[in-house]
Amino acid sequence: GAVVSQHPSWVICKSGTSVKIECRSLDFQATTMFWYRQFPKQSLMLMATSNEGSKATYEQGVEKDKFLINHASLTLSTLTVTSAHPEDSSFYICSARLLAGALETQYFGPGTRLLVL
Amino acid sequence: QQQVKQSPQSLIVQKGGIPIINCAYENTAFDYFPWYQQFPGKGPALLIAIRPDVSEKKEGRFTISFNKSAKQFSLHIMDSQPGDSATYFCAAIASMLTFGGGTRLMVKP
Repeated sequence: GAVVSQHPSWVICKSGTSVKIECRSLDFQATTMFWYRQFPKQSLMLMATSNEGSKATYEQGVEKDKFLINHASLTLSTLTVTSAHPEDSSFYICSARLLAGALETQYFGPGTRLLVL
Repeated sequence: QQQVKQSPQSLIVQKGGIPIINCAYENTAFDYFPWYQQFPGKGPALLIAIRPDVSEKKEGRFTISFNKSAKQFSLHIMDSQPGDSATYFCAAIASMLTFGGGTRLMVKP
């Protein structure tokens, strides 16, 4: 099956620092990747859609200057949490869209747990 | 407005039981319905998926039933095992993927 990796799997940082999370599709090319945030015992909340070679599309209420997204290649998207604060602590999950003929689905990475002190 | 409604929120069954998770949707533009399994601290993993022109799909112990006229679909887990204990999300895809709220399943030994 399609594999999506994320790095790092967890990170602890001080308030005010920036944190970069990488999302890679390992065995397929993904023109579109997605970034989600998940709070405990809740469903995934879509933050933004990352499109290769173009600007990301952010969901309402998500600060684009706070959460910088770069989709530099067909297998890599990065999310940078700038000037992180404790309220940014969360579980961040990326996914990559796989198109197989007329079928489309998303494969998810293992997630990155961010703790901002 | 939640476009995909999932129930129950939590479910406890004994080993060997058949938990059933139900989802309902309103948007008739949805044309693909995947189910994801998520273990604590991990990302969701695609479990099984169905298209609306199929009424049932089986993969191993997992079965999706789909009722297009009622705009409902459900996941059945046959001979459930403690290792099946996880959170299950139904989803629906039109141009974007929309998740249900999730069901936390616990299978007791």
